[in-house]
Amino acid sequence: DGGITQSPKYLFRKEGQNVTLSCEQNLNHDAMYWYRQDPGQGLRLIYYSQIVNDFQKGDIAEGYSVSREKKESFPLTVTSAQKNPTAFYLCASKGGGADTQYFGPGTRLTVL
Amino acid sequence: SQQGEEDPQALSIQEGENATMNCSYKTSINNLQWYRQNSGRGLVHLILIRSNEREKHSGRLRVTLDTSKKSSSLLITASRAADTASYFCATDAGVGFQKLVFGTGTRLLVSP
Repeated sequence: DGGITQSPKYLFRKEGQNVTLSCEQNLNHDAMYWYRQDPGQGLRLIYYSQIVNDFQKGDIAEGYSVSREKKESFPLTVTSAQKNPTAFYLCASKGGGADTQYFGPGTRLTVL
Repeated sequence: SQQGEEDPQALSIQEGENATMNCSYKTSINNLQWYRQNSGRGLVHLILIRSNEREKHSGRLRVTLDTSKKSSSLLITASRAADTASYFCATDAGVGFQKLVFGTGTRLLVSP
């Protein structure tokens, strides 16, 4: 089964804690993306990576960090510096020369 | 930053009717894509139209692009209750057009 997976589906965090969201793909895609979606709104780009061991900040990178040590994996850490982290987080990948992005099912993060 | 706006923000129709959504964007593009999102889920790619194309069809979907007006429209014909979802346009952006910038979305409700 080819696709992109995210875990966990739901995540609860206490204020002041860092949490890491997982994103894995077996599509052999070079590029991977993290987006944040707030209720009733569109997607905003947090970070993206076009190749292993390289990544770039998106529009709202403050308070987040990423790594890209393997082609298949692009974890996102939401740090305590992110002032309003409660949101729906979506991971996507792109490859094979196509312009289409493939999305995972998302992780809903709630700060208690 | 979001590239553009979608209009209307919400649309409610009966099964069998057509649904039209509009998207406006701000900068030059290589292509424009439409995605669908069911509530609480990831996005699914629907159709891509390149900047040198004016109209494209895929099943019950018809997309138009007017680069002089920086606008696009998505028409869903003979709508079904299963078409109920949010619809987003996305334009490529950034160095090498590696990023997607999403609109604010149109929430479509199709009643039986």
